Amino acid sequence: GAVVSQHPSRVICKSGTSVKIECRSLDFQATTMFWYRQFPKQSLMLMATSNEGSKATYEQGVEKDKFLINHASLTLSTLTVTSAHPEDSSFYICSAPLAGVHTDTQYFGPGTRLTVL
Amino acid sequence: AQSVTQLGSHVSVSEGALVLLRCNYSSSVPPYLFWYVQYPNQGLQLLLKYTSAATLVKGINGFEAEFKKSETSFHLTKPSAHMSDAAEYFCAVSPQAGAGSYQLTFGKGTKLSVIP
Repeated sequence: GAVVSQHPSRVICKSGTSVKIECRSLDFQATTMFWYRQFPKQSLMLMATSNEGSKATYEQGVEKDKFLINHASLTLSTLTVTSAHPEDSSFYICSAPLAGVHTDTQYFGPGTRLTVL
Repeated sequence: AQSVTQLGSHVSVSEGALVLLRCNYSSSVPPYLFWYVQYPNQGLQLLLKYTSAATLVKGINGFEAEFKKSETSFHLTKPSAHMSDAAEYFCAVSPQAGAGSYQLTFGKGTKLSVIP
């Protein structure tokens, strides 16, 4: 099956610094990728839709200037948490749909655990 | 607009017993429905999906779910629980087609514990 990777799997940073998280589709092209955040013992909340070659679409309440998304190629989307604060600590998960074959199927990355001190 | 309700944030079953995880959805358009499983500190793995074909859907690891339109439900079952089934389970819904058809709306999840 299709594989989506994320890097890093875990990151600890100081408050005020920026952190970049990568999401890659390893064996398929993804014009669209999704970024979710998951707080402990809660569900996944969609943050934004990353579109290759165009601006990301952010969900209501998500600060686009704080969570910068760049979909640089058909296999890579990055999420940069700028000026991170402890309340940004969360589990960030990306997903990508396998378009054209199974348009209803999304493949999820393993997630990135961000801890802001 | 779409929403998903999972009844029971935590379900415990004995090993070998029936697993039943409940999911009800609300959707203004015909939906696709999914069940995902998440192990600690990992991403989500697709268990099964309903995409308007057969209403009884069989997935991996012996799980199955039945789409009941009249009840707006998509409950997940497994006849006999195994210790390895202990995980968090998420029900999700997406529109069948059109703009945003890839977007998933998740329920809050149900943590399944299996007692030896």
